[in-house]
Amino acid sequence: KAGVTQTPRYLIKTRGQQVTLSCSPISGHRSVSWYQQTPGQGLQFLFEYFSETQRNKGNFPGRFSGRQFSNSRSEMNVSTLELGDSALYLCASSFVLAADTQYFGPGTRLTVL
Amino acid sequence: QKEVEQDPGPLSVPEGAIVSLNCTYSNSAFQYFMWYRQYSRKGPELLMYTYSSGNKEDGRFTAQVDKSSKYISLFIRDSQPSDSATYLCAMRVGGGADGLTFGKGTHLIIQP
Repeated sequence: KAGVTQTPRYLIKTRGQQVTLSCSPISGHRSVSWYQQTPGQGLQFLFEYFSETQRNKGNFPGRFSGRQFSNSRSEMNVSTLELGDSALYLCASSFVLAADTQYFGPGTRLTVL
Repeated sequence: QKEVEQDPGPLSVPEGAIVSLNCTYSNSAFQYFMWYRQYSRKGPELLMYTYSSGNKEDGRFTAQVDKSSKYISLFIRDSQPSDSATYLCAMRVGGGADGLTFGKGTHLIIQP
């Protein structure tokens, strides 16, 4: 069974731009969570989607948004990029909402210049 | 004080040694505890999952949870160079509305 896939793997943007990241969950998984990983803050929860609806949300500004499609694929969008948004963005999928066993993708490395 | 504290290391041990990795936490509502392994330029990989207090063993790995002390551990027996990675503890409140809360990770190096 294929794992979680994320595209693109690497991305370079400049301040003020916006970016969209994509995540395809493991087949059959209906929940997708997004996390931001930085050296200073570690892994931080952004939000979770289940059945095309955002169910849970972490403590991030409204510039961070997402959506989920009927096939469970998810996208994450960051508008008006700031230098501090440079990070590894990880997507994790699970069978159910708020699952304790989540399976992570390889991440998208975003660099903001 | 952060919710989850984890020594960043690096922790360097010789091959074959027993490795002990630990996390402490402050939120007594955490009920689900996990350990993830993350290799460089990869996403975290789930190693162990335990609910509430107690021990769980899987091959060379043993996870322990002591809720009274708010302390969790991961032991690796017969450590191998391939175990060299960053180990992240993660926790979740029952109901899990806030997603997983992670420690910052311990960088482990197994010397051949």
